[in-house]
Amino acid sequence: DTGVSQDPRHKITKRGQNVTFRCDPISEHNRLYWYRQTLGQGPEFLTYFQNEAQLEKSRLLSDRFSAERPKGSFSTLEIQRTEQGDSAMYLCASSPTANTEAFFGQGTRLTVV
Amino acid sequence: DAKTTQPTSMDCAEGRAANLPCNHSTISGNEYVYWYRQIHSQGPQYIIHGLKNNETNEMASLIITEDRKSSTLILPHATLRDTAVYYCIVLKGLGNEKLTFGTGTRLTIIP
Repeated sequence: DTGVSQDPRHKITKRGQNVTFRCDPISEHNRLYWYRQTLGQGPEFLTYFQNEAQLEKSRLLSDRFSAERPKGSFSTLEIQRTEQGDSAMYLCASSPTANTEAFFGQGTRLTVV
Repeated sequence: DAKTTQPTSMDCAEGRAANLPCNHSTISGNEYVYWYRQIHSQGPQYIIHGLKNNETNEMASLIITEDRKSSTLILPHATLRDTAVYYCIVLKGLGNEKLTFGTGTRLTIIP
């Protein structure tokens, strides 16, 4: 399968723990995006990368959140000191350039207990 | 980016055409209309996009009114697998970096 891959698919963690998610975009896609989706809502933009450069961060991305794309390929999203409000689906998408369709992964569902 | 308005939910009989409306009355001249859908427990999937002219691909047709203030996504022969939330999104041309999803239209295909 050559689509966007996210790992893990599901994560349950205790409040206060740190979690890290991984996204592998489609090969040679320069742009990589992270979104968060809570129940009943559409996805909300968190941040995006052009190759290894993080070009925009949403206000939703508090200082407990950090995203990296060290070699311009895969990306990680880390949440430190998780809170119950962080429970959501975290979606990754990639695209070859701006203003082209974005391809989404199946997401990582985080539950903070 | 222009705001969009969609009905919360719609039903359509299997085999019939599903017509999903979207209002985007504040759209600017350089903004495109994109449609994505999200099947339960999956990530969103691109369907189609257009600027001024009507567009058709293997999945759907997009009809944009002449004043570009509204559009309709048409699934010509709906199947049960088309049951999903459909999002209408307006994006600027070159340089726009992110998708702004609303709450979309929950389309249910009835057997």
